[in-house]
Amino acid sequence: QLQLQESGPGLVKPSETLSLTCTVSGGSISSSSYYWGWIRQPPGKGLEWIGSIYYSGSTYYNPSLKSRVTISVDTSKNQFSLKLSSVTAADTAVYYCARHYRNSWFDPWGQGTLVTVSS
Amino acid sequence: QSALTQPASVSGSPGQSITISCTGTSSDVGSYNLVSWYQQHPGKAPKLMIYEVSKRPSGVSNRFSGSKSGNTASLTISGLQAEDEADYYCCSYAGSSTSLVFGGGTKLTVL
Repeated sequence: QLQLQESGPGLVKPSETLSLTCTVSGGSISSSSYYWGWIRQPPGKGLEWIGSIYYSGSTYYNPSLKSRVTISVDTSKNQFSLKLSSVTAADTAVYYCARHYRNSWFDPWGQGTLVTVSS
Repeated sequence: QSALTQPASVSGSPGQSITISCTGTSSDVGSYNLVSWYQQHPGKAPKLMIYEVSKRPSGVSNRFSGSKSGNTASLTISGLQAEDEADYYCCSYAGSSTSLVFGGGTKLTVL
């Protein structure tokens, strides 16, 4: 069945760029109808949608993060990636990737990866 | 961009039914039948339980049901079981300028 797995550094310094990759297995990232999204969850807090991308490269972002976020896709590797620039301690969170039905639900989710912003 | 409003906590005894509310505005919950609900156990990834207000994914127990009235969506769990104890989050489409918003989450305790 479809599985997603996040990967990337667990520690990022303040003001630097957070970079994560999500690898999709058990299905093609080029499937029509589906976007691929990033969601984060600060420790002990709720979920926040970051943004989503279609296999063609079309993106849409959370307006509150848009100025710092770039999401890209590599269909040859069945992967999509997140870059979040100028990070601060407030960006410390578990970052999840998920298949996203446009404007609607997320399913399935990756297991999540904790990224800590600290010097 | 404000999060949808959920009660911080709800509780119920095994076998009982509980309802979790998710209150938004006429710009999100009230305008679109695009509300989804997620269950999250501690240390685990969220799991889709309800989508498009009241549809249940394959494999999700029919004890879980969703509904909407005006600007408020609801998740009802009937026949509470110990394994239902978890955090629950709602999510809604909020239009092209805002896109997607989550609720703050509700902790369900099975007494």
